[in-house]
Amino acid sequence: DAMVIQNPRYQVTQFGKPVTLSCSQTLNHNVMYWYQQKSSQAPKLLFHYYDKDFNNEADTPDNFQSRRPNTSFCFLDIRSPGLGDAAMYLCATTPGSASTDTQYFGPGTRLTVL
Amino acid sequence: GDSVTQMEGPVTLSEEAFLTINCTYTATGYPSLFWYVQYPGEGLQLLLKATKADDKGSNKGFEATYRKETTSFHLEKGSVQVSDSAVYFCALSSMNTGNQFYFGTGTSLTVIP
Repeated sequence: DAMVIQNPRYQVTQFGKPVTLSCSQTLNHNVMYWYQQKSSQAPKLLFHYYDKDFNNEADTPDNFQSRRPNTSFCFLDIRSPGLGDAAMYLCATTPGSASTDTQYFGPGTRLTVL
Repeated sequence: GDSVTQMEGPVTLSEEAFLTINCTYTATGYPSLFWYVQYPGEGLQLLLKATKADDKGSNKGFEATYRKETTSFHLEKGSVQVSDSAVYFCALSSMNTGNQFYFGTGTSLTVIP
């Protein structure tokens, strides 16, 4: 089945130690998104790629970076994780950027910062 | 800007009870509306959607009708099961949001046997 895959499902890092989260998709969708979701809150959009075009949300901290080396893969890099960055990180895709497009989510990566 | 307001939770129901989770939206144009479900420790899954006024989305016994006159997209199910226990998010996407999703705050549902 076509899907959105996130690895690892659980990631533990130390305060200040860089970490990379991975997302891949077999849907061949043009758009990929990264969200941060803290406990009992709605997902918060960090950035998205339309193909190779990167779009950063205005309030996304510089500590968060992303790479999309090809259509299938997208990475979230957290340069110096703080305790406040502990959260679930969700990757999602859409075929294009129409308002009617469904977003397809991966299972998420739960990040713990010690 | 365009947004959704979702009923606060948590909601606790007995099995086979009727469920309504309210969602209203604010938009200047014609948004698309979605309901997503999130089971514990998982990502979000699309439950249903509607892209124009009077459309009814339905899936797994859940229904929601896009009502422009009341700017609402309430989620309903006639008989809930324990397996429906999850968090439900209403979401909107429109040209005014740059076709990005705006999520409601989520409503936690617990169904007890």
